[in-house]
Amino acid sequence: DAGVIQSPRHEVTEMGQEVTLRCKPISGHDYLFWYRQTMMRGLELLIYFNNNVPIDDSGMPEDRFSAKMPNASFSTLKIQPSEPRDSAVYFCASRFSGSGNEQFFGPGTRLTVL
Amino acid sequence: KQEVTQIPAALSVPEGENLVLNCSFTDSAIYNLQWFRQDPGKGLTSLLLIQSSQREQTSGRLNASLDKSSGRSTLYIAASQPGDSATYLCAVNNNDMRFGAGTRLTVKP
Repeated sequence: DAGVIQSPRHEVTEMGQEVTLRCKPISGHDYLFWYRQTMMRGLELLIYFNNNVPIDDSGMPEDRFSAKMPNASFSTLKIQPSEPRDSAVYFCASRFSGSGNEQFFGPGTRLTVL
Repeated sequence: KQEVTQIPAALSVPEGENLVLNCSFTDSAIYNLQWFRQDPGKGLTSLLLIQSSQREQTSGRLNASLDKSSGRSTLYIAASQPGDSATYLCAVNNNDMRFGAGTRLTVKP
């Protein structure tokens, strides 16, 4: 398996623009997580899904952030409108509950909002 | 809400030394605990996963222990090497996953 795939790897945008981050989890995994990492706040859980259903979105910072998982192999994290303070590395991770629950991370998307 | 703390925040040791990284958590009702390594500008690599029913896991020079009742885990690295230099993150799974702030390890040649 190719592991968790994220795109784009780098995104530079201007304040006010819409940003969409994409994630393809490992095939067969039933949990998907979105994290944000910054120097100041470390690694924060934003939202996670189980069987494509959002379970806990309490970490989503504001209404400007939204996440969807239309099927088992694809998820998006959208920021609209983006702000400079959204600049961070966004990680997607997945795991399979039936086999130890080991979590696997994607390479991340480095977002810069100017 | 689960809180995860890692001590120390940074550690610098000479090559060859054995070292221990510490992780504590506030809610002992966990499914498992996972140790990750993160190199600068890179993603997270899973090192060891300890289920709640286990006391320790070993992989090569790494040994992780878990004391669920006291809310503690340690990561032991034997015979450290410069290539071990990275940030080590502890994550606790209560269905979601909460991370500590990490320990930044530098192993000097």
